[in-house]
Amino acid sequence: DAMVIQNPRYQVTQFGKPVTLSCSQTLNHNVMYWYQQKSSQAPKLLFHYYDKDFNNEADTPDNFQSRRPNTSFCFLDIRSPGLGDAAMYLCATSRDYTQYFGPGTRLTVL
Amino acid sequence: KQEVTQIPAALSVPEGENLVLNCSFTDSAIYNLQWFRQDPGKGLTSLLLIQSSQREQTSGRLNASLDKSSGRSTLYIAASQPGDSATYLCAVDGEGAQKLVFGQGTRLTINP
Repeated sequence: DAMVIQNPRYQVTQFGKPVTLSCSQTLNHNVMYWYQQKSSQAPKLLFHYYDKDFNNEADTPDNFQSRRPNTSFCFLDIRSPGLGDAAMYLCATSRDYTQYFGPGTRLTVL
Repeated sequence: KQEVTQIPAALSVPEGENLVLNCSFTDSAIYNLQWFRQDPGKGLTSLLLIQSSQREQTSGRLNASLDKSSGRSTLYIAASQPGDSATYLCAVDGEGAQKLVFGQGTRLTINP
């Protein structure tokens, strides 16, 4: 089945240790998104790619970076994770207006 | 800045009841509104998308309505089932850039 895949599903890192989260899609959608969702809160858009064009939200910390080497893959890099970065990270894709989400990666920072 | 509010934050009803979830948004200049379902610890599943020119959309037992001028949307669930238990989120695209602003969701529990 065509889908959005996120790896790993659970990630534990240490305070300040860089971490990379991965997202891949088989939908061939041109737009990919990264959201951060903290417990019992709304998903918050960090950035998105429209094809190769990168769009950063104004309030996304510099600590968060992203790469999209091709249509299928997108990565979220957290350069120096803090305790406040512990959250569920959701990847999504779209071609028209409907967004398709992956299962998420739950990040724990020790 | 667009803000999306969902009330109530949690709702518990007996199986078989019809129910309505509410969503309001502060800026009526939206391109579309979407309703999502999120199961615990999982990603989001799109349920319904309403374009700004539409008044409602239906899928099975779900019906979503949109009143742009008043900044409101409702999600109607008919004949609720325990499997409908989840958090329901609404989100608006206010810029036409396919960027969504989400509400915090309503956590729905259907009791057998």
